[in-house]
Amino acid sequence: DAGITQSPRHKVTETGTPVTLRCHQTENHRYMYWYRQDPGHGLRLIHYSYGVKDTDKGEVSDGYSVSRSKTEDFLLTLESATSSQTSVYFCAISVRSGQETQYFGPGTRLLVL
Amino acid sequence: AQSVAQPEDQVNVAEGNPLTVKCTYSVSGNPYLFWYVQYPNRGLQFLLKYITGDNLVKGSYGFEAEFNKSQTSFHLKKPSALVSDSALYFCAVRADDKIIFGKGTRLHILP
Repeated sequence: DAGITQSPRHKVTETGTPVTLRCHQTENHRYMYWYRQDPGHGLRLIHYSYGVKDTDKGEVSDGYSVSRSKTEDFLLTLESATSSQTSVYFCAISVRSGQETQYFGPGTRLLVL
Repeated sequence: AQSVAQPEDQVNVAEGNPLTVKCTYSVSGNPYLFWYVQYPNRGLQFLLKYITGDNLVKGSYGFEAEFNKSQTSFHLKKPSALVSDSALYFCAVRADDKIIFGKGTRLHILP
């Protein structure tokens, strides 16, 4: 999975609790992305980063925040988890945005009860 | 609005037969188009992309895709399907320096 790790790989949590997912890359790529994958929706962009401390919102950013204090780490936080945030979360990286191939991590399966 | 559509949720093909997975797009400007594949419990893997040049793009695992500007399509093809090609396939397009993914097409190759 192209030098990308995600942790945890599986998590069960309760509604209302905060959750942080971590994406770590060893490729030193500038761009990092968080997607969620749901049946019937494909992949939808939550947030992305174009450098340390530089982030922007994607299509489905409500209820999520991100931080990138180092090139290699991109954190996704669910501030107060809801059942609608039960999903599989994928991190991706790319050298540039838009026209370059994205490389995906193995995913984190999150269940919010 | 910029978008990508995969009109088939599922495609069934007999092993050894040619396969096609359809994708149409709507973007302003020149389209940058991608195909990715996802195997069970894995992240997406890049198959091929079209940026410019020859309309027939060759990619990994014997797959190819044909860019058709007049029909705004970018269909994925393979001359002879393998059972191991069974997976979820995503078409994607560049939109405003981000990538938009289609909803995916599940490909079943029947032995």
